[in-house]
Amino acid sequence: GNSVTQMEGPVTLSEEAFLTINCTYTATGYPSLFWYVQYPGEGLQLLLKATKADDKGSNKGFEATYRKETTSFHLEKGSVQVSDSAVYFCALWNQAGTALIFGKGTTLSVSS
Amino acid sequence: EPEVTQTPSHQVTQMGQEVILRCVPISNHLYFYWYRQILGQKVEFLVSFYNNEISEKSEIFDDQFSVERPDGSNFTLKIRSTKLEDSAMYFCASRTEETQYFGPGTRLLVL
Repeated sequence: GNSVTQMEGPVTLSEEAFLTINCTYTATGYPSLFWYVQYPGEGLQLLLKATKADDKGSNKGFEATYRKETTSFHLEKGSVQVSDSAVYFCALWNQAGTALIFGKGTTLSVSS
Repeated sequence: EPEVTQTPSHQVTQMGQEVILRCVPISNHLYFYWYRQILGQKVEFLVSFYNNEISEKSEIFDDQFSVERPDGSNFTLKIRSTKLEDSAMYFCASRTEETQYFGPGTRLLVL
């Protein structure tokens, strides 16, 4: 079945550093891919999505490109802020398209 | 912007007690979900609900769990006899087309 693998955290960066969080997937077909973010003490918020190969999702300075060749959907941001400190989850639909499958989450900690 | 809401935000219960977690999905959405996240672990799918019936459930969703849409707005998850291992954050979600929108979660602690 479909699955997603995220890089292990935590990721610790200084403010204004470049961020990459790796996500690779295994899937039948080309399901939509998502990044969700969970700020401390809060629920899951959709950060960005891509619905087909070569699509780039973007939001709040974050970007991720749906790469069919490398089966990846890496999250990037050029200059992180302290307020970006959160847990980031990569996700995709299961094979039937009926439920989301999440990665284990990557904790990002940004210091000033 | 419409959002999914959940109540309560926190619940503490004794092992063996019944709990009901409540959710109000986004009003024009037709698919509803429950997920859970045990502390420090990944988010896991429990159940999906469409057209007033369960459309899919995971292995976690055993006979101790049930879901209901008692009226036109609420969507509930009931755990009949809670166990220690049910302690987790429970997220409700509703869906439009390709995207699920999650509520803020209910943190359940079973003592």
